[in-house]
Amino acid sequence: DAKTTQPNSMESNEEEPVHLPCNHSTISGTDYIHWYRQLPSQGPEYVIHGLTSNVNNRMASLAIAEDRKSSTLILHRATLRDAAVYYCILSVWGGSQGNLIFGKGTKLSVKP
Amino acid sequence: DVKVTQSSRYLVKRTGEKVFLECVQDMDHENMFWYRQDPGLGLRLIYFSYDVKMKEKGDIPEGYSVSREKKERFSLILESASTNQTSMYLCATLSDGGNTIYFGEGSWLTVV
Repeated sequence: DAKTTQPNSMESNEEEPVHLPCNHSTISGTDYIHWYRQLPSQGPEYVIHGLTSNVNNRMASLAIAEDRKSSTLILHRATLRDAAVYYCILSVWGGSQGNLIFGKGTKLSVKP
Repeated sequence: DVKVTQSSRYLVKRTGEKVFLECVQDMDHENMFWYRQDPGLGLRLIYFSYDVKMKEKGDIPEGYSVSREKKERFSLILESASTNQTSMYLCATLSDGGNTIYFGEGSWLTVV
């Protein structure tokens, strides 16, 4: 079964880059890698997603290992507003059915 | 731009009451999911559906049922609410092919 593994927590200083890792060694060729973040009492907020190539958007970058068994979410300059729980999620697709495989989430703390 | 709507954001129900949590999407997605989220336990899959009138049990279906009479609506039903069902409930959809996930805002249910 597909599985994602993330560290429970990480700390960063404000204005510094943050690299949040995710291990998904059982990923299949058509499984997408998604990152969402969640603040207390809110639903998950989209950060970034990708399939094989590295991806950049205004919020973050996603670096995907060549063998796709791991990925790293990169916040280029952490701000206090980036403090949240970050979830690495695989979307597994087979036939017409899909499934979502969640990591336990990494709680990111940002120190001023 | 709302894509996944959960009808109730905060609910307080009494033990033994029947509770309906509604999730509506406007993207014609076939795959829909219900999760509950509890501190320290992450997101746990209750039920999912990959088509109208189709449903599959997730990891923790006990005490819950679901209904998918129309493609856009996926309802979670607590037949007889209990205090251990106090939680945050989250609905999600997955686009065909699995490249996009949409989450609702979450429904916080308190059973007293």
